[in-house]
Amino acid sequence: GAVVSQHPSRVICKSGTSVKIECRSLDFQATTMFWYRQFPKQSLMLMATSNEGSKATYEQGVEKDKFLINHASLTLSTLTVTSAHPEDSSFYICSAGEVETQYFGPGTRLLVL
Amino acid sequence: GENVEQHPSTLSVQEGDSAVIKCTYSDSASNYFPWYKQELGKGPQLIIDIRSNVGEKKDQRIAVTLNKTAKHFSLHITETQPEDSAVYFCAARPWYGQNFVFGPGTRLSVLP
Repeated sequence: GAVVSQHPSRVICKSGTSVKIECRSLDFQATTMFWYRQFPKQSLMLMATSNEGSKATYEQGVEKDKFLINHASLTLSTLTVTSAHPEDSSFYICSAGEVETQYFGPGTRLLVL
Repeated sequence: GENVEQHPSTLSVQEGDSAVIKCTYSDSASNYFPWYKQELGKGPQLIIDIRSNVGEKKDQRIAVTLNKTAKHFSLHITETQPEDSAVYFCAARPWYGQNFVFGPGTRLSVLP
């Protein structure tokens, strides 16, 4: 199957700082990528849909000014958590796909102190 | 919108036995149903999927069945092995979008 990478795999930051997470499709182009957040022992919750060359679409309850998404190319989408707080600590996962099948990245564990 | 339920939430089986996980969905127009396996600290991995025009699909020890009338689909794992231990998520894709709606997950433990 297709390969999706994420960087970094884990990050620890101080409260109030910003953190950028990258999602790359390695062997295919993706006009659309998805960002999820997963809390311990819970399912994946869709945060936003990242669209290449246009604004991201955010799910209800997700602050677009706090979770900035940029999809500047057909293989890269970035999620920036601005002014991170301890409650933003979570496992962030992106996905991308061809036609209809979605492949997930390995995830980024964010810990905000 | 679409809503996906999944049962059981936890499942323990002896190595070599079969495991069955069931999901129901609410939107009859959903047309694509993937299953993902997630190991601790990793991203979900697609293990099998089925489209609404197919009733059953099999890949070695893994099979998925779909009943469109009843709006439920099931994952069957035969001859389970300890490495099958993980959290399994079902999902449904509404016809109108590309994103999935996930079930709450099933934690499968295969006991040696």
